[in-house]
Amino acid sequence: DGGITQSPKYLFRKEGQNVTLSCEQNLNHDAMYWYRQDPGQGLRLIYYSQIVNDFQKGDIAEGYSVSREKKESFPLTVTSAQKNPTAFYLCASSMATRGVRGGYTFGSGTRLTVV
Amino acid sequence: AQTVTQSQPEMSVQEAETVTLSCTYDTSESDYYLFWYKQPPSRQMILVIRQEAYKQQNATENRFSVNFQKAAKSFSLKISDSQLGDAAMYFCAYNPGTYKYIFGTGTRLKVLA
Repeated sequence: DGGITQSPKYLFRKEGQNVTLSCEQNLNHDAMYWYRQDPGQGLRLIYYSQIVNDFQKGDIAEGYSVSREKKESFPLTVTSAQKNPTAFYLCASSMATRGVRGGYTFGSGTRLTVV
Repeated sequence: AQTVTQSQPEMSVQEAETVTLSCTYDTSESDYYLFWYKQPPSRQMILVIRQEAYKQQNATENRFSVNFQKAAKSFSLKISDSQLGDAAMYFCAYNPGTYKYIFGTGTRLKVLA
């Protein structure tokens, strides 16, 4: 079955470390997204990519970086510059031809905790 | 600025009863899309229902229906015959046709047996 796979499910980061969250999709979707979810807040967009080798900053891109070398993959790196990285991270994808009108498909998320 | 407001942090409903979750939004656009997403304890977001603003008819998906009031900028979700599996966080989301969604803060729905 087609879908989005995020790994790992739980991730622990020490102060000053960079960590990378994986997101892979086999839906043949062109567009992929990273959202951050904090308690009591809605989802906030970190980065998105409409095509391979291109991506744009979302509302809270500071302290994060991404790459899009393959259509299927959109990894997110949480750098040491991100001062409050503890959160739940969701990856999503959509068909480019319809924008997001058909809705996103989401992965099951990664819970990142700073230790 | 475009915003989405869910004023009910938490709601409860008896099994088999009906519950309505509220959502209001602010936009100056005339063409846009509205969505309700469900986030169960597994935390994977699932699309429940969507509404295109140019359509006057309210969307329905089995036990889920919306009351879309464009002039009032209101988009409520009605869940009929509530089931234990409906217990989840529900997020309202707005999209103006770009790649970006604007999400509300969510409503936690509890279903009482």
